[in-house]
Amino acid sequence: EADIYQTPRYLVIGTGKKITLECSQTMGHDKMYWYQQDPGMELHLIHYSYGVNSTEKGDLSSESTVSRIRTEHFPLTLESARPSHTSQYLCASTAGAYEQYFGPGTRLTVT
Amino acid sequence: DQQVKQNSPSLSVQEGRISILNCDYTNSMFDYFLWYKKYPAEGPTFLISISSIKDKNEDGRFTVFLNKSAKHLSLHIVPSQPGDSAVYFCAASFGADKLIFGTGTRLQVFP
Repeated sequence: EADIYQTPRYLVIGTGKKITLECSQTMGHDKMYWYQQDPGMELHLIHYSYGVNSTEKGDLSSESTVSRIRTEHFPLTLESARPSHTSQYLCASTAGAYEQYFGPGTRLTVT
Repeated sequence: DQQVKQNSPSLSVQEGRISILNCDYTNSMFDYFLWYKKYPAEGPTFLISISSIKDKNEDGRFTVFLNKSAKHLSLHIVPSQPGDSAVYFCAASFGADKLIFGTGTRLQVFP
């Protein structure tokens, strides 16, 4: 099982602030993903990366951006947070198999 | 259009009985299916999976059945335990690329 970490676990922030959600994994996985999930809804893929310097947008349009400078690190940034960004953000990774392993998530609330 | 559907938002089962969670899909190109379990404020954890070339996969108390002609899969938990109470997500994939998730079914196991 992968060790994958996300910080912060909970974040309450005001509108207009810039935020970065951190995601790190220690398994050397090439593929990493960011999902957004609201209660009672499916997980929506917003960004993914298949390796260093490779990032792609997912199926759900998002105003966030990501970077992949190191294999183990895949941070997500919102330049100007809005209440519509309130959600749970989940990071996942895989070595290439179908099974993705998830971090504990960040619950973001924008006031 | 939702490609993976879990039509039952919730299920309540008595401890010791069987829990059956259902999932339907529309894309016949999916070649792998997974079940994840999610507790509140945590990330999903991988539970069990099945390749499209099989019709059954078993792991302890958990069995997944796949009916390709009906585009339907189900997760059986026998016997159900209170610790199984969580939200269960069905996911599908094509070519070990992205995962497409259903909206989840909340399982409650009562004594």
